Amino acid sequence: KAGVTQTPRYLIKTRGQQVTLSCSPISGHRSVSWYQQTPGQGLQFLFEYFSETQRNKGNFPGRFSGRQFSNSRSEMNVSTLELGDSALYLCASSRRDPRLGQETQYFGPGTRLLVL
Amino acid sequence: TQLLEQSPQFLSIQEGENLTVYCNSSSVFSSLQWYRQEPGEGPVLLVTVVTGGEVKKLKRLTFQFGDARKDSSLHITAAQPGDTGLYLCAGAGRGSSNTGKLIFGQGTTLQVKP
Repeated sequence: KAGVTQTPRYLIKTRGQQVTLSCSPISGHRSVSWYQQTPGQGLQFLFEYFSETQRNKGNFPGRFSGRQFSNSRSEMNVSTLELGDSALYLCASSRRDPRLGQETQYFGPGTRLLVL
Repeated sequence: TQLLEQSPQFLSIQEGENLTVYCNSSSVFSSLQWYRQEPGEGPVLLVTVVTGGEVKKLKRLTFQFGDARKDSSLHITAAQPGDTGLYLCAGAGRGSSNTGKLIFGQGTTLQVKP
């Protein structure tokens, strides 16, 4: 079974621009979560989507947004980019494991965003 | 606010040595996951622990979930250079406010020298 895929893998933008990142979950997974990873803050939760609805949101400004499509693929958008938005953006898909009774998240390779 | 304190942050050891990484919190988690991450890649799931007191083994790696489900440890026996990487613990909180959200520790960078 194919894993989580993210495109593009690398991106260079300048301040003020906007960017859209894409995530395709593992087949059959309906939940997609997004995280930002930086050396100083580690992995921080951005938001989570399930069945095209945002179910949870982290403490990020409104410049960070996302959406999910009917095939569970998800996109996140960052508008008016700032230097501090440079990070590895990770998405994870999950489904409830009937043996564990819990959801387990599986991560994609990430998109490395550099803002100049 | 739920936090996971992971220690140590850095560990450099010789091949063949044993080591333990700790994750501690004042919050109760419904489950706790351990990941390993290579530079430039996403975290790869090693194990999920759900039950308080649970112990799981994955070859030379032993994972334990605390009885109160507030802490966890990862023990590696006879470390090898291939174990080098960033180890992350991540807790799943309870309740609707934690849906789809993992709380991550700061990570432990492990270097195993041949």
